[in-house]
Amino acid sequence: KAGVTQTPRYLIKTRGQQVTLSCSPISGHRSVSWYQQTPGQGLQFLFEYFSETQRNKGNFPGRFSGRQFSNSRSEMNVSTLELGDSALYLCASSFSRQETQYFGPGTRLLVL
Amino acid sequence: TQLLEQSPQFLSIQEGENLTVYCNSSSVFSSLQWYRQEPGEGPVLLVTVVTGGEVKKLKRLTFQFGDARKDSSLHITAAQPGDTGLYLCAVMIYNQGGKLIFGQGTELSVKP
Repeated sequence: KAGVTQTPRYLIKTRGQQVTLSCSPISGHRSVSWYQQTPGQGLQFLFEYFSETQRNKGNFPGRFSGRQFSNSRSEMNVSTLELGDSALYLCASSFSRQETQYFGPGTRLLVL
Repeated sequence: TQLLEQSPQFLSIQEGENLTVYCNSSSVFSSLQWYRQEPGEGPVLLVTVVTGGEVKKLKRLTFQFGDARKDSSLHITAAQPGDTGLYLCAVMIYNQGGKLIFGQGTELSVKP
């Protein structure tokens, strides 16, 4: 089975721009969660999607949003980028909620 | 305040040495997970401990869950350069779906 894939792997943007990151879960997995990883804050939960609905949201501003499609693929969007949004964004999928999560390789975003 | 406190944050040792990483909390958990993350990749689940006092072994890695289910440790025997990476403990917050909370991580470097 193919693992979780994330595109793009690397991205450079400038302040004020917006960005969309994509995540394809493991086949058959219906739950997708997103995490932000930075050297200062570590790994922090962004949000969780299950059956195309956001089920849970972390403590991030409204500039961070996401969605899930009927095939369980998910996207997250960050609008009005700030320097502090530079991070590794990780997507994880699981068969259903509260089950073991499998992480993708991440998208490294650099905001200049 | 971090829910999970990991120590040490950084560890640099020579090949063949033993080491222990700690993950502590004041909260009680029904289970705790350990992940390893290599540069440029997402975290990979090593083990889930569920029962207080439980000990699990994975080759040279020994994981222990505290009797009170508030803390855990990871012991590596005869470390090898291939053990280099970021070790993370995490707990799933079940009343918030599949939200994972991570410790800050222990950055391990094993020099040949």
